[in-house]
Amino acid sequence: NAGVTQTPKFRVLKTGQSMTLLCAQDMNHEYMYWYRQDPGMGLRLIHYSVGEGTTAKGEVPDGYNVSRLKKQNFLLGLESAAPSQTSVYFCASSSGLFRDEQFFGPGTRLTVL
Amino acid sequence: RKEVEQDPGPFNVPEGATVAFNCTYSNSASQSFFWYRQDCRKEPKLLMSVYSSGNEDGRFTAQLNRASQYISLLIRDSKLSDSATYLCVEFGGGGNKLTFGTGTQLKVEL
Repeated sequence: NAGVTQTPKFRVLKTGQSMTLLCAQDMNHEYMYWYRQDPGMGLRLIHYSVGEGTTAKGEVPDGYNVSRLKKQNFLLGLESAAPSQTSVYFCASSSGLFRDEQFFGPGTRLTVL
Repeated sequence: RKEVEQDPGPFNVPEGATVAFNCTYSNSASQSFFWYRQDCRKEPKLLMSVYSSGNEDGRFTAQLNRASQYISLLIRDSKLSDSATYLCVEFGGGGNKLTFGTGTQLKVEL
């Protein structure tokens, strides 16, 4: 039982490049989330999903897109990376929307040069 | 004013000490509260939920004071392994979402 996994763990991009972060969970959770964590700021919600095939915007969605084609996977895409997107990205899942315990993945450290 | 505010610390305490952190929230409509623990360069993990009547889990006690709009976390008999950043998390005050504090860093020393 791996819980929530994320790939890759680290990535360095140049401005304008694109990439996709993959999140997978094996707990059969309906709800999945993408957060970013920056120094001096709390985790901020980028996008979330309430089930397979559905996504919704969070607090800071600009510059990101997401897809949830399978219940266990939640992908976060950066179409044209900017230095402001340098951050640590965490995926999470939960059995209930928001108010239940959130299980986080180990994070992806992204640097955009 | 930030929705959730925490003293960033660090709180440096000797092993065996009792330490308490507070977290203030700005929206009286907040419904639920949690404490998450985050080790250095790791993901956050739920430490405990905070109930209106207060709750205890071993050496950890969480309290909610709605009149003054703060929650607290008390750690008794601190262990070296308690060294981490403790995140205060609120649900409902800013809509249907979680709001994370920036965290309070605890360092337990020999």
